[in-house]
Amino acid sequence: KQEVTQIPAALSVPEGENLVLNCSFTDSAIYNLQWFRQDPGKGLTSLLLIQSSQREQTSGRLNASLDKSSGRSTLYIAASQPGDSATYLCAVVPLYGGATNKLIFGTGTLLAVQP
Amino acid sequence: DVKVTQSSRYLVKRTGEKVFLECVQDMDHENMFWYRQDPGLGLRLIYFSYDVKMKEKGDIPEGYSVSREKKERFSLILESASTNQTSMYLCASTRNTEAFFGQGTRLTVV
Repeated sequence: KQEVTQIPAALSVPEGENLVLNCSFTDSAIYNLQWFRQDPGKGLTSLLLIQSSQREQTSGRLNASLDKSSGRSTLYIAASQPGDSATYLCAVVPLYGGATNKLIFGTGTLLAVQP
Repeated sequence: DVKVTQSSRYLVKRTGEKVFLECVQDMDHENMFWYRQDPGLGLRLIYFSYDVKMKEKGDIPEGYSVSREKKERFSLILESASTNQTSMYLCASTRNTEAFFGQGTRLTVV
């Protein structure tokens, strides 16, 4: 059974610092991996989607990498800002999960960027 | 832009009431999902649907049912609301496996 883990559970950094969030999954047979951001009391906003054939994706100050063989993904945030404060979640779609693209989520990393 | 809209941001219902949570997507996606999110437990899949009138149970379907009469609309039904169903409910739809979420419904059952 696929399990997704995110470490650390919480992270506090000063503004301007570069940081890395980690996501691990136990089964490398995945369609893709997706990173989301969640603000308190809100829904999830998609940040980056990495297909299983890709190694990384970039959007602005965000860069996500994928190493399927080791079951790991990282989300790199450059020059962090207080507005980046949120919970970050990763999710995988198992390759053998049927036709419905069910996502399996990690429990998230709560990021606080201090001004 | 893909839009997934949940009918309510906040709901307060009484124990035993029948509760309907509505979700609408505007991009003709086949797959739609209902999750609940609780502190320390993460997101857990309640039900999903891969086509009109088609549905499958997720990991925690007990106490819930769903309806998908039209492709764009996926409804979650709490047959008889209980206090342990107080939670954040999130609807999602997928295109080419990329998932898009609604803004969430915070349901409180008193």
